[in-house]
Amino acid sequence: SAVISQKPSRDICQRGTSLTIQCQVDSQVTMMFWYRQQPGQSLTLIATANQGSEATYESGFVIDKFPISRPNLTFSTLTVSNMSPEDSSIYLCSVRTGNSNQPQHFGDGTRLSIL
Amino acid sequence: RKEVEQDPGPFNVPEGATVAFNCTYSNSASQSFFWYRQDCRKEPKLLMSVYSSGNEDGRFTAQLNRASQYISLLIRDSKLSDSATYLCVVDNFNKFYFGSGTKLNVKP
Repeated sequence: SAVISQKPSRDICQRGTSLTIQCQVDSQVTMMFWYRQQPGQSLTLIATANQGSEATYESGFVIDKFPISRPNLTFSTLTVSNMSPEDSSIYLCSVRTGNSNQPQHFGDGTRLSIL
Repeated sequence: RKEVEQDPGPFNVPEGATVAFNCTYSNSASQSFFWYRQDCRKEPKLLMSVYSSGNEDGRFTAQLNRASQYISLLIRDSKLSDSATYLCVVDNFNKFYFGSGTKLNVKP
């Protein structure tokens, strides 16, 4: 499967600041996704990162808060804007090669704490 | 109703035991199914896909019952290293829905 590098691996940020998380894949992939996993919870899809166009956001997530870029088939960024303590979470990038019946594979996540 | 439901556990079993997890899903049109394993403070990792005819990978057996809309995972001869949270995942038209996970503790 693809090798997915996510950085930073962790950060501690001040309230009101923004952080950009990068996801780099070692091969071209069809689909890239961004998830959030809050403490003790399962994964929640934030958005599907679309190459060359605006991301597709899930209910409860908006572009102003979580702008996403995907300039090519191997790279994407997620920005968490104007952070508050409620944004403290693990943010995960995942990729899917091929289409139906294929699993997703995850980067090792970014652990974000907001003070 | 949640898309995917799992018993959160924890399941506390001795080494060598056989343990089974079930998961139900709400959308009958769901297309593909997976079990992931997540260790504490780590990302989810694919354990196995679940095929309609059922499939086995070593000590792990996955089954799908489309009529009843449930998926199962059976672990035989449990090892200490099997201790983790097991996530049931359902794919609805390229959107993955994750169960809340079932925690397994294998004890010596």
